[in-house]
Amino acid sequence: QVQLQESGPGLVKPSETLSLTCAVSGYSISSGYYWGWIRQPPGKGLEWIGSIYHSGSTYYNPSLKSRVTISVDTSKNQFSLKLSSVTAADTAVYYCARDLLQLGFDYWGQGTLVTVSS
Amino acid sequence: DIVMTQSPDSLAVSLGERATINCKSSQSVLYSSNNKNYLAWYQQKPGQPPKLLIYWASTRESGVPDRFSGSGSGTDFTLTISSLQAEDVAVYYCQQYYSTPHMYTFGQGTKLEIK
Repeated sequence: QVQLQESGPGLVKPSETLSLTCAVSGYSISSGYYWGWIRQPPGKGLEWIGSIYHSGSTYYNPSLKSRVTISVDTSKNQFSLKLSSVTAADTAVYYCARDLLQLGFDYWGQGTLVTVSS
Repeated sequence: DIVMTQSPDSLAVSLGERATINCKSSQSVLYSSNNKNYLAWYQQKPGQPPKLLIYWASTRESGVPDRFSGSGSGTDFTLTISSLQAEDVAVYYCQQYYSTPHMYTFGQGTKLEIK
């Protein structure tokens, strides 16, 4: 059974960088597939942030591309998200998920709430 | 950018009755290379991550009850729950995948409640 678990600070100050990690168990990232980040502001809908392949190839949402970096560490079987210059608008539950491209996102983490506030 | 618009925003249906949620894409999501619609549906219950229900517009994910069905092609899609159960109360999202460039867009969500 594939499991994903997000971790990272729950509070980030405005203008700083949000950093999250997604640990994957039950499946080796090196075996393939894309791995993605999706966020959901409180009470609102879902927004795809970006995805990474096990080789390191990345795709980002154009609306966030200038601030987003996604990386992968196959030795630790995890991938990470960095979002720079955050504002209150970046407050959201951040999910990591396995990305099957045209088949959707099939396995999701439970999500972690990140609040941007001074 | 492709915009996904769901209707209605909220819906109340009696137990055992049919629930229908619509999703309209601003561009066709039908790919001629394989004649597949790159359209998925998710169910999200409070405090939980979304759960993949359907992909390719009409293919149920493993383990999803057969009362859930998807239909449509091109720009217009429908998620149908044939006989609403209490555990189906949730927000439902459609999502498209655009291959060039690699991009995903979700609908705004439809909240389904019991009447």
